[in-house]
Order: sequence, then C-alpha cells, then structure tokens
Amino acid sequence: QVQLQQWGAGLLKPSETLSLTCAVYGGSFSGYYWNWIRQPPGKGLEWIGEINHSGSTNYNPSLKSRITILLDTSKNQFSLKLSSVTAADTAVYYCARGIKTAIRGVITNWLEPWGQGTPVTVSS
Amino acid sequence: EIVMTQSPATLSVSLGERATLSCRASQSVSSSLAWYQQKPGQAPRLLIYGASTRATGIPARFSGSGSGTEFTLTISSLQSEDFAVYYCQHYNHWPPLYTFGQGTKLEIK
Repeated sequence: QVQLQQWGAGLLKPSETLSLTCAVYGGSFSGYYWNWIRQPPGKGLEWIGEINHSGSTNYNPSLKSRITILLDTSKNQFSLKLSSVTAADTAVYYCARGIKTAIRGVITNWLEPWGQGTPVTVSS
Repeated sequence: EIVMTQSPATLSVSLGERATLSCRASQSVSSSLAWYQQKPGQAPRLLIYGASTRATGIPARFSGSGSGTEFTLTISSLQSEDFAVYYCQHYNHWPPLYTFGQGTKLEIK
C-alpha cells in the first residue's frame, strides 16, 4: 500500500522560498503524476502542480511563475519550491499521487493517497 | 476553465437519515469526477472516482451518480463518522488543471 510522508519548513518570512519534500513508500513512481495541493485556513482546496516519473510538469497558471516541482527517483521523493511567498501563501500543503485511467471509455483522474499535510505560515 | 459548484454550502442531517450532496460543472465533464471527504485536521480521503466507482475500503452507504454537468453524492444512512466536509473534483486535460468545488459541510442536525 502506497504511503506518502511529507516535511518542510513551517514558518517563513515574506519574500522567502517555501520548500517541501514528499517521500513515496511502498510503490513505484512510474505511471503516475505526483501532485501538490494547498488549503488556506478555513478554505477549500487549490491544486498547485504535478510531475510525472520522467520529470514532465504541469502547473496551476495562477502560481506558475513561482513554482518548481522536482523529482528524485533515487530517493523516491518529489519536492515543491514556491518563491517570493506572501501571507496569501499561508496554508496546509499536501502531496498526493495522481491516478489517470479510462473508465467506460472516459479518461478520468483522481488523487490518492494523500500525505499528512504540512502547515506553512508566512509572517514577518 | 471549468468551474465546479457545490450545493448546499452546509447540510444539516440527523443520524440514520440520507444525505444528498450536489456538484455542478460549468460545462460537461462526462463522468470524470471524484469525491473526497475531509475531517478536521486530516487530509482529504478519496470516496468516489469516475463519478460512481467507490474507492477501496469505502462503505457501501456512499454512492455517486451523474454525468455531464450534474453529480450527486449520496450517503444512505448517516453514521457519526460521516460528518465532515465533502469536495468534488475534476481534472481538465488541456490546459492541465485539477479543480475542486468549494465544499459542502455535513453537520449533525
């Protein structure tokens, strides 16, 4: 059973770079996209971006200029860097595996499992 | 960009009763829709994918239906552990983008 465990700095000052890592246990990187999602306090879910086993990335256009998602296949880990953070980036950040398959002829994607979440606060 | 809209924002239901949650897409997404449950302080948990397929380990009281632009998550007989926030989700293939509904909070009546 695949499990994701994530970690990273939880308190940042404005203009600093957020850096988080997610480790994948019990499964292969191949055949999936590996995702980052965030949730501001009391609010809903916002997708940040994804990377596949060959390093191909897709980013949320609203964050694209500040995001870098990287893969380290030797360690079964992937990482998120978000530059120039502001208070608006305060959120719980989650990593998750993205699964894509065809069901009854329709290609559909979902996220499972998820990491435990890392709360990140940006404050001066 | 496809917008996912959930209703109601809050739903109050008694234990043992049926709960019906709705999700509407701004344009057709066929059956490419997933549902998640999130409890306070926890990560979301996948309930349904492909609009109607239950994820592994999800009780049979959870069911999903719909296609196109209208989707429903039904919980047939509410248990205490079902009170949580529920999100619907779609993945747009071009440009690639996961979009979530704003969530429905299911609370005890």
